[in-house]
Amino acid sequence: SQQGEEDPQALSIQEGENATMNCSYKTSINNLQWYRQNSGRGLVHLILIRSNEREKHSGRLRVTLDTSKKSSSLLITASRAADTASYFCATLTHSGNTPLVFGKGTRLSVIA
Amino acid sequence: DAEITQSPRHKITETGRQVTLACHQTWNHNNMFWYRQDLGHGLRLIHYSYGVQDTNKGEVSDGYSVSRSNTEDLPLTLESAASSQTSVYFCASSPGPTGELFFGEGSRLTVL
Repeated sequence: SQQGEEDPQALSIQEGENATMNCSYKTSINNLQWYRQNSGRGLVHLILIRSNEREKHSGRLRVTLDTSKKSSSLLITASRAADTASYFCATLTHSGNTPLVFGKGTRLSVIA
Repeated sequence: DAEITQSPRHKITETGRQVTLACHQTWNHNNMFWYRQDLGHGLRLIHYSYGVQDTNKGEVSDGYSVSRSNTEDLPLTLESAASSQTSVYFCASSPGPTGELFFGEGSRLTVL
């Protein structure tokens, strides 16, 4: 069963613009992670935010977490054509040693 | 450099045949996972292992099996391949249950 759901499913923007993707989840979490997948490749970890954190930055990435709304957002600032990829959120629940559960992803296209 | 490798990268097989997808990691991670990725479903967990001799079923485990005889390898076996198992399969490993996942490049399986 899908825990995280990304929104929108697809996003197309111009180079230099900011891209925002959202993730909603259903149950309480230990942490939430964002991954990127380039076409035909494996997923690559971008950033992890713990349930007691509200915001985290890594380079041009900014992640927020609102546990009261069970939602997270990933902001990519000053996007580049190389940011074109699918982005997935994944959650780790509090229920002991459980694996990550992934959403269906947002496909981002950055047009040069 | 440490890495995680999957083989074969592409395979075509016939319905009813047994297929084994290999996954080998050199990070010495205890945790290893198999996911399948299909359009419209995102990544779904098939099986996972938290150490040698430990295996657990995921969300879509029917028709699949794994074994963990050493830390480095988690082969995925399809006992009798079905067309519904046509998919891209990803292996991943993690140093701990709350940490990031490191993914292989994927194995594209077509069952005719």
